[in-house]
Amino acid sequence: DTGVSQDPRHKITKRGQNVTFRCDPISEHNRLYWYRQTLGQGPEFLTYFQNEAQLEKSRLLSDRFSAERPKGSFSTLEIQRTEQGDSAMYLCASSLAGGGGISHGYTFGSGTRLTVV
Amino acid sequence: GQQVMQIPQYQHVQEGEDFTTYCNSSTTLSNIQWYKQRPGGHPVFLIQLVKSGEVKKQKRLTFQFGEAKKNSSLHITATQTTDVGTYFCAGSAGNNRKLIWGLGTSLAVNP
Repeated sequence: DTGVSQDPRHKITKRGQNVTFRCDPISEHNRLYWYRQTLGQGPEFLTYFQNEAQLEKSRLLSDRFSAERPKGSFSTLEIQRTEQGDSAMYLCASSLAGGGGISHGYTFGSGTRLTVV
Repeated sequence: GQQVMQIPQYQHVQEGEDFTTYCNSSTTLSNIQWYKQRPGGHPVFLIQLVKSGEVKKQKRLTFQFGEAKKNSSLHITATQTTDVGTYFCAGSAGNNRKLIWGLGTSLAVNP
């Protein structure tokens, strides 16, 4: 296992188009997270899954964002009707759930850089 | 809601000087994790602290978790140019299993 893989690495899209990103986590990890990061900021939580269940979604997200993890393995993040404000690095991470529900350290992928023009 | 604050935002040091970044939470944390992000890279996990008053060391890096589990620090002894990057703390509280991230401290090291 080579770690967390994200595809594509870069995406340029026109405003109003839909985009979909894929994340393949470390196979032994049961938790998967999506974050968004802009320059000079820390990662901003979007959503997370434990196995195939989506347990939490940020209230900051509009209904244009949706994520799936259909078989508890890879995940997809879709953004509909993209806006220029959606331009950011989208990071996926995976981890193992530890004792008391606390996660072990996250392993991040290299991210998908989205540019909306 | 839960907030995690980090200071300073930026730090420039001469190679060989020490460096410390501080992390403070508005609520008691269940755990705190530290990450390093190199310019153009993604966050890389450094360590997790769980116990009150816990201190862990990794070579020149020393991590502390406060007695009240509301603050933490990362101290680097004798910085090197390879230490350049942004250091993030991230913690979770209670039954909330997602990490809340600080804004990070960007470290620049002059050779």
